[in-house]
Amino acid sequence: GQNIDQPTEMTATEGAIVQINCTYQTSGFNGLFWYQQHAGEAPTFLSYNVLDGLEEKGRFSSFLSRSKGYSYLLLKELQMKDSASYLCAVRDSDYKLSFGAGTTVTVRA
Amino acid sequence: ETGVTQTPRHLVMGMTNKKSLKCEQHLGHNAMYWYKQSAKKPLELMFVYSLEERVENNSVPSRFSPECPNSSHLFLHLHTLQPEDSALYLCASSQGDSGTGANVLTFGAGSRLTVL
Repeated sequence: GQNIDQPTEMTATEGAIVQINCTYQTSGFNGLFWYQQHAGEAPTFLSYNVLDGLEEKGRFSSFLSRSKGYSYLLLKELQMKDSASYLCAVRDSDYKLSFGAGTTVTVRA
Repeated sequence: ETGVTQTPRHLVMGMTNKKSLKCEQHLGHNAMYWYKQSAKKPLELMFVYSLEERVENNSVPSRFSPECPNSSHLFLHLHTLQPEDSALYLCASSQGDSGTGANVLTFGAGSRLTVL
């Protein structure tokens, strides 16, 4: 089976930076996704990486290293509304999508 | 309405009941999915429908029965469930079920199911 690992919880202060790591072991690789899920709400798409490197989108950036089976989501200038669960998902060579258990980020004032 | 809508948002049922979860998407997508989300666990893919045909069934117990009458609607029929089936059931849709391109999933807010 596929193995997607990410930390369970992280806490940071408003205005700070938080980096959520995701490591994966899958049968091949065809893309990595990050989703954000606020409590009681639908997961929403944040980013997609298929090539190595950094993808920047406003305050959020996502990095991928395929050779290391590693990605991170970087949240800058944290705001209270960024408190949510962040899900890492990897698509394998059969185009099956596997999710990690999610990282709950709590932003404190 | 826009996006993916799920009803009911909350459901409590006994083990002998029969109920259904409904999902509707207004995005013109041609693939729809059911996922199970349990606390502290990864999302588990249950069923995939592409162009109204079931293309994936991930060894889900027969007490869960999906139905996709058209490309905009998806149902999950529930009967004789067990307490361990209590979870958040998420519906999603996408344009295409293959892995080409980003193929981003659009999720509904989920139906919180409690089995007593």
